[in-house]
Amino acid sequence: QKEVEQNSGPLSVPEGAIASLNCTYSDRGSQSFFWYRQYSGKSPELIMFIYSNGDKEDGRFTAQLNKASQYVSLLIRDSQPSDSATYLCAEGGSYIPTFGRGTSLIVHP
Amino acid sequence: NAGVTQTPKFQVLKTGQSMTLQCAQDMNHNSMYWYRQDPGMGLRLIYYSASEGTTDKGEVPNGYNVSRLNKREFSLRLESAAPSQTSVYFCASAGQHYGYTFGSGTRLTVV
Repeated sequence: QKEVEQNSGPLSVPEGAIASLNCTYSDRGSQSFFWYRQYSGKSPELIMFIYSNGDKEDGRFTAQLNKASQYVSLLIRDSQPSDSATYLCAEGGSYIPTFGRGTSLIVHP
Repeated sequence: NAGVTQTPKFQVLKTGQSMTLQCAQDMNHNSMYWYRQDPGMGLRLIYYSASEGTTDKGEVPNGYNVSRLNKREFSLRLESAAPSQTSVYFCASAGQHYGYTFGSGTRLTVV
């Protein structure tokens, strides 16, 4: 059974800092990964996806995939209080993606 | 607006009552899903439909049934609600490569 592991946090960073969120996965054959942001009381929202080894940048967000070490990370540069949310990592290579339980991020002014 | 529409947003049921959660998507996605989310448990898959005409059990299907009415609509039915089914329910749809789009959720309380 595939597993996706995330530290539940909370991860607390000051405004303007880089927040680093990490995720490890069990299936060495997994190909695609997704990061979702979920504000309290809201539904998850897709913010990044990555298929290839290396980095993928989109604005203040960078997703990193290291298939050899089986980890995925999300970096948020210049963190803002509005980034405070739970971030879900998902492995999405089949009809049934596997979600991690999420990491809570708190960005304090 | 394109997306996934879920109804109702809130519901309170008495133990033993039945209800159907409705979900519709207008993105022409083949796959649709029902999840429940409980504190500390993350998202747990109840049922999914890989394509119109097919449905399959997920991780926690007991106490639920589903119907894929057509390509757009995927409903979740609780035949006899139990307090253990108190949760937030999310419907989602997925295209081939670009992850899920979630509905806004249904907060269900069973008393």
